[in-house]
Amino acid sequence: DAGITQSPRHKVTETGTPVTLRCHQTENHRYMYWYRQDPGHGLRLIHYSYGVKDTDKGEVSDGYSVSRSKTEDFLLTLESATSSQTSVYFCAIKPGGRADTQYFGPGTRLTVL
Amino acid sequence: QKEVEQNSGPLSVPEGAIASLNCTYSDRGSQSFFWYRQYSGKSPELIMFIYSNGDKEDGRFTAQLNKASQYVSLLIRDSQPSDSATYLCAVTSGGSEKLVFGKGTKLTVNP
Repeated sequence: DAGITQSPRHKVTETGTPVTLRCHQTENHRYMYWYRQDPGHGLRLIHYSYGVKDTDKGEVSDGYSVSRSKTEDFLLTLESATSSQTSVYFCAIKPGGRADTQYFGPGTRLTVL
Repeated sequence: QKEVEQNSGPLSVPEGAIASLNCTYSDRGSQSFFWYRQYSGKSPELIMFIYSNGDKEDGRFTAQLNKASQYVSLLIRDSQPSDSATYLCAVTSGGSEKLVFGKGTKLTVNP
């Protein structure tokens, strides 16, 4: 597993509530990513980080914010969850060097009622 | 919007056959190409990457890249029921910081 954990693994919440998902890595990789995966859409990038306090938007960033105050943790926040944000969320890391390969965490299944 | 296209399948092959998975991409600037395997309910797992035109072999898997045609393929020889999964094609976008994924091809290998 690439030393990546995600918490919680499953969450059910109600529309309008804030939700924070955590991604934790143990190997001090610079790049971290948040994706969502939905049937018919595949994996889509939400936000990514290229260092502590350095983040950028992905393809589907509306309604999401991120923070990275420590190298090992990358947080994804849904400020006010909506049913359209029901999805499986994956965190990924990219080790440095020539390889552009990304490795994925186990995922968080989020249901917004 | 940079795109990666894959046949959604399902692709069904008998055990022991060759499975051929295809992927096209729109960004001519893409430099790196990846195949991930995803079992139902699990996270994507890297199985192959390729950077140069031609073939790259790793065990039963062969990745093929043709940059002029913007085409990447994955061949799985001697397919096994354990190869049954969804295969995701991914290419780099905007340099090497980001990947764009296809929607995946579901492969079923029948015993």
